[in-house]
Amino acid sequence: GNSVTQMEGPVTLSEEAFLTINCTYTATGYPSLFWYVQYPGEGLQLLLKATKADDKGSNKGFEATYRKETTSFHLEKGSVQVSDSAVYFCALRIQGAQKLVFGQGTRLTINP
Amino acid sequence: NAGVTQTPKFQVLKTGQSMTLQCAQDMNHEYMSWYRQDPGMGLRLIHYSVGAGITDQGEVPNGYNVSRSTTEDFPLRLLSAAPSQTSVYFCASSYGDRAATEAFFGQGTRLTVV
Repeated sequence: GNSVTQMEGPVTLSEEAFLTINCTYTATGYPSLFWYVQYPGEGLQLLLKATKADDKGSNKGFEATYRKETTSFHLEKGSVQVSDSAVYFCALRIQGAQKLVFGQGTRLTINP
Repeated sequence: NAGVTQTPKFQVLKTGQSMTLQCAQDMNHEYMSWYRQDPGMGLRLIHYSVGAGITDQGEVPNGYNVSRSTTEDFPLRLLSAAPSQTSVYFCASSYGDRAATEAFFGQGTRLTVV
């Protein structure tokens, strides 16, 4: 089946630290991969995506590379800010499927 | 820009009560979905619709009912609320079913069943 596994949270970092949130997946088809972010009290919004192997998605200083050989889509940011505190969800979607398959989410807290 | 609008934002129900969670989108999207978010479990699909008059079940449909009479609206009905339905509910919409299509989410409805 299709599934997404994210690193366990919560994650707490100091401002300007380097961030990695691991995400691996299993898929029966050829998926597109997404990172969604949920800020406190808000819905999910797309952070970045990648649609084929070796694609790199980037937005707001965050990056993730679609690694087919390791079935991974790790989220990275070189220098986090307090405003990055949120819950991050890795997700996949198979062509023709309505369903987004989500990981369990990782709560990130950045301390000043 | 309204996007996806959900109402209410918060609701407390007693066991056995029924209610409808409202969802409306103004982007003329064909595809709409309902997810529930539970701690440690990510989001799970309840029901979805690929257009007006067409709905189908997701992975956790029991206890919920949907209909899609217009492109804009996709209400979720709880028939007889149970404590296991305490959750945060998100409505989402998207333009098509291509894998790369972005889904747009509402702000969520936090439901507590006592």
